[in-house]
Amino acid sequence: GAGVSQTPSNKVTEKGKYVELRCDPISGHTALYWYRQSLGQGPEFLIYFQGTGAADDSGLPNDRFFAVRPEGSVSTLKIQRTERGDSAVYLCASSFIDTEAFFGQGTRLTVV
Amino acid sequence: GDSVTQMEGPVTLSEEAFLTINCTYTATGYPSLFWYVQYPGEGLQLLLKATKADDKGSNKGFEATYRKETTSFHLEKGSVQVSDSAVYFCALTPGYGGATNKLIFGTGTLLAVQP
Repeated sequence: GAGVSQTPSNKVTEKGKYVELRCDPISGHTALYWYRQSLGQGPEFLIYFQGTGAADDSGLPNDRFFAVRPEGSVSTLKIQRTERGDSAVYLCASSFIDTEAFFGQGTRLTVV
Repeated sequence: GDSVTQMEGPVTLSEEAFLTINCTYTATGYPSLFWYVQYPGEGLQLLLKATKADDKGSNKGFEATYRKETTSFHLEKGSVQVSDSAVYFCALTPGYGGATNKLIFGTGTLLAVQP
């Protein structure tokens, strides 16, 4: 596609449920990033993929959060046992190595 | 750890006014510095960047100079337009290696330009 696509754009889930957020990067981009943006804050780094492997997952807040990129393209961010504090906008970005990253419009997750 | 501090908003200006949004950083090594913009309903976009001390980034009439002595990267524009209304984020990537786009962001500054 023309840009980074994230689905769904909005997700409301109940506390304790499992959610998956999807990111379709720009075709050919080898690097993919997930960020989380809480209300009134700047985006915070979660995880970085180079190809299929997670090169840096130091930003994942705890073991309820997991992300995969099995074929080096689409990525899924998975959150288990969601908590109200997980409510935020989850942003995905992609790039070639050492070039500008392009961001998607994000998925707004609300945990009720 | 590395961090970015930017002035709180909102900043409200009249069209054609001069804009400054302050940004200072704390970092080890030699970070690269960025300004990102988020227009209403759109994703984050890179506005400009500077990769070493005394570099000036510029785009769309905006500019910012990497000042290592004051650890600052203030965003300026000589004459703002209504279409510049957006949230502006200052950011850095650490200078000690690792992913180029592992960005550390400030909290963002909302700019509202009135006609």
